[in-house]
Amino acid sequence: GAGVSQSPSNKVTEKGKDVELRCDPISGHTALYWYRQSLGQGLEFLIYFQGNSAPDKSGLPSDRFSAERTGGSVSTLTIQRTQQEDSAVYLCASSLDLPAAVTDTQYFGPGTRLTVL
Amino acid sequence: AQSVTQLGSHVSVSEGALVLLRCNYSSSVPPYLFWYVQYPNQGLQLLLKYTSAATLVKGINGFEAEFKKSETSFHLTKPSAHMSDAAEYFCAVSSYSSASKIIFGSGTRLSIRP
Repeated sequence: GAGVSQSPSNKVTEKGKDVELRCDPISGHTALYWYRQSLGQGLEFLIYFQGNSAPDKSGLPSDRFSAERTGGSVSTLTIQRTQQEDSAVYLCASSLDLPAAVTDTQYFGPGTRLTVL
Repeated sequence: AQSVTQLGSHVSVSEGALVLLRCNYSSSVPPYLFWYVQYPNQGLQLLLKYTSAATLVKGINGFEAEFKKSETSFHLTKPSAHMSDAAEYFCAVSSYSSASKIIFGSGTRLSIRP
């Protein structure tokens, strides 16, 4: 079966431009996560969607960052007025439910590498 | 607040040698602990996780990790390294009360010498 897919795989943009990153989770997964992986650093939690509940946005670094999940499936992460420090790999993951559950696992997509010039 | 510290950003071992990747955690509540692996040009993959069941957790590809509360550690081991184990390894922590938010360590790059 298909895994988590992300598009584009690479994005180069100019400082000040807006970008949209897309995530297609595994079909049937109700939980969706966005992370950011900067060079030489671990993964930084950004946002979490679970079913119809209000998303946990506590990890978004600034109000330039936003995310939507339409129809409980596809998600889009939008970064407005991009800055050079936004350059990173943006990873999406999905799971059936909460990742800490004994029987649940987060599945990660390949990521989108964003470069802001 | 929760956090994990991975000791050593880069570990190099010979093929066939013991692999030991160190992870210490900080958590004010009983933690859930994870090890993820990221192979070159691939996404993250769960190796194993601890969720308050057995303290010795066995994962894929011959890896295992032991939860030691007294040492606040969750080190990853493999008895005999294989060339295909070369990758980036991430330790992570969450808890039942904040299961949606997994906190990752900065990663350890494992290199295997022939």
